[in-house]
This record gives sequence, structure tokens and C-alpha cells, in this order.
Amino acid sequence: KQEVTQIPAALSVPEGENLVLNCSFTDSAIYNLQWFRQDPGKGLTSLLLIQSSQREQTSGRLNASLDKSSGRSTLYIAASQPGDSATYLCAPAESGGGADGLTFGKGTHLIIQP
Amino acid sequence: DAGVTQSPTHLIKTRGQQVTLRCSPKSGHDTVSWYQQALGQGPQFIFQYYEEEERQRGNFPDRFSGHQFPNYSSELNVNALLLGDSALYLCASSSQGAYGYTFGSGTRLTVV
Repeated sequence: KQEVTQIPAALSVPEGENLVLNCSFTDSAIYNLQWFRQDPGKGLTSLLLIQSSQREQTSGRLNASLDKSSGRSTLYIAASQPGDSATYLCAPAESGGGADGLTFGKGTHLIIQP
Repeated sequence: DAGVTQSPTHLIKTRGQQVTLRCSPKSGHDTVSWYQQALGQGPQFIFQYYEEEERQRGNFPDRFSGHQFPNYSSELNVNALLLGDSALYLCASSSQGAYGYTFGSGTRLTVV
């Protein structure tokens, strides 16, 4: 059974800093991995999707990397802004095109201080 | 292009009652998954529907059931509500999971 751990659980930094959020998963036989952000009481917004054959994906100030063999992914946020404050969740999709659903950890709760 | 639409946004029910939540997938998506998210936790997979069939189920009791319609929209039904069913229920759609999932804004269910 897939288990996902995200470190740190919470992070509070002044704006402008570069950040790294870590995600580890126990079963490396994944189809892809998706990073999401969630604002309080809201749904999930997809940030980046990395296919199992890829090493990284970039979107604006965000860069996600994937090391499938070691069961790790990182989300790098450059030049953080107060609007980046949210909970960040990673979710590996297991082989089979995601039929087993996504497995989530508890996320990293990020606060960017103005 | 509308994303995933869920209704209602909020709901209050009494223990023992039944509830139905609704989801319309993103245009072009044919697969719908449901998740339960308790406060302070990550979402937990309930089940997934494809071609009007339940394709996979997570660790949830039979009180949780669903349906997918020919237009790919879906319903989640929960019978005999318990206080512990209070949570944010999220619907996600995909094209068989190949290109990731799109989530709706959720339905906040409170059981009193």
C-alpha cells in the first residue's frame, strides 16, 4: 500500500526566500506524480504533473523534480510571495493509469510572511 | 471551459440521515473519483467511476456508494450518516488518469 510523507509539515518564512518542499513515497511503481496547492477550506489546484519517465517539470517560479527509484519528489518555489501561502500536497498515481486513485500525505502548510 | 463543478457547496445533516453529493467533470474527462478530506488531513480515496462502473474503491464502508451517468457526471451517496462523516468531499475528474486530475471546490458536509 502506497504511503506518502511530506516534510516539513509546516513552514513559515519571510517573502523573497527560495523554498524546497519534500515528498517521499514507498511504492516506486508510479505512473505519474502531481503537486497541488490547497487554500483553506477550498479544493485542490494542480500545480505540476510529472510523468514517470520525466525528471522534472517547471511552471513559472515552480520546479518539481522526481526521482522514482528512490521514491522522492521535491517542489522548489523561487522568490516566494505572500500569495504562495497555502497547503501543498503531492500525490503519486500508481501504475495502471490512476485507476487506484491518488494517495496523499498530510501536506506542507506554508506561510509566507510579508 | 468549465472545470469540475460540485454541488452543493455546504450541507448540514443529522446523524442517521442520507446525503447525495453531485459532480460534473471537466469537459473532455470521462473518469470521476471521489475523496474525503477530514480537517488537517490529506484527501482519502473513496472510489473511482469509469464507463458508469465503479472501477476501484478505497477503504470505505458500503454506506458510501456512487453512480456515474452517461454524460460522465457522478453522485456520491452516503447512508446512515455518522458524526465522523463530517468532512470536505472532493470530486476529481481525469481522462483515465493519464494526464493528471482536476479537482472541484468540494462539498463541506457537517453531520450533527
